[in-house]
Amino acid sequence: QLQLQESGPGLVKPSETLSLTCSVSGGSINSSGYYGAWVRQPPGKGLEWIGSIYYTGTTNYNPSLKSRVTISVDTSKNQFSLKLSSVTAADTAVYYCARQKVSRGWFDPWGQGTLVTVSS
Amino acid sequence: DIQMTQSPSSLSASVGDRVTITCRASQSISSYLNWYQHKPGKAPKFLIYAASSLQSGVPSRFSGSGSGTDFTLTISSLQPEDFATYYCQQSFSTPYTFGQGTKLEIK
Repeated sequence: QLQLQESGPGLVKPSETLSLTCSVSGGSINSSGYYGAWVRQPPGKGLEWIGSIYYTGTTNYNPSLKSRVTISVDTSKNQFSLKLSSVTAADTAVYYCARQKVSRGWFDPWGQGTLVTVSS
Repeated sequence: DIQMTQSPSSLSASVGDRVTITCRASQSISSYLNWYQHKPGKAPKFLIYAASSLQSGVPSRFSGSGSGTDFTLTISSLQPEDFATYYCQQSFSTPYTFGQGTKLEIK
């Protein structure tokens, strides 16, 4: 059974870079037909897609965040990562990683999520 | 961006009730519509893909319908474990977008 788990600092200072890693177990990240994706949920708000990456390294980002986002993949470690630069309080959110179906775009499964707070 | 609007935003119902949640897209998305269940502190759970196809392992009391711009999620007989927030998501075009959520509460 495929499982995903987010890890990284829970507190980031304004203007710094948020860095998270998603570790995949129970299956390979080198799965044809699937992306690794990041989705976030600010407190009291809805879900926002951040971006997705194929195991080849091809990426697709939300234009609203594109200038600040980098998603990368490390197939040797079965992981993919998120970097979000120049963070502000508006980036405070629960960050989820998920597997995304290439052809139909659904997200399944998801990690448990990790709360990242941007504060000095 | 395609805007997804869910209604109602919240809903109170009792165990055994039949409930319907509506999701409307700002433009046609064919059948590229997915539904998720989310409980506090848990990973979102994938329920329905392609508007009406039930994900493996999801109880048959859940069903979805619609195409184009208007979609519904129906729970035929609410169970205690169904009280959660439900989100629709369009996968027709990027950026992928979600509805604002419908919180289903116990009456």
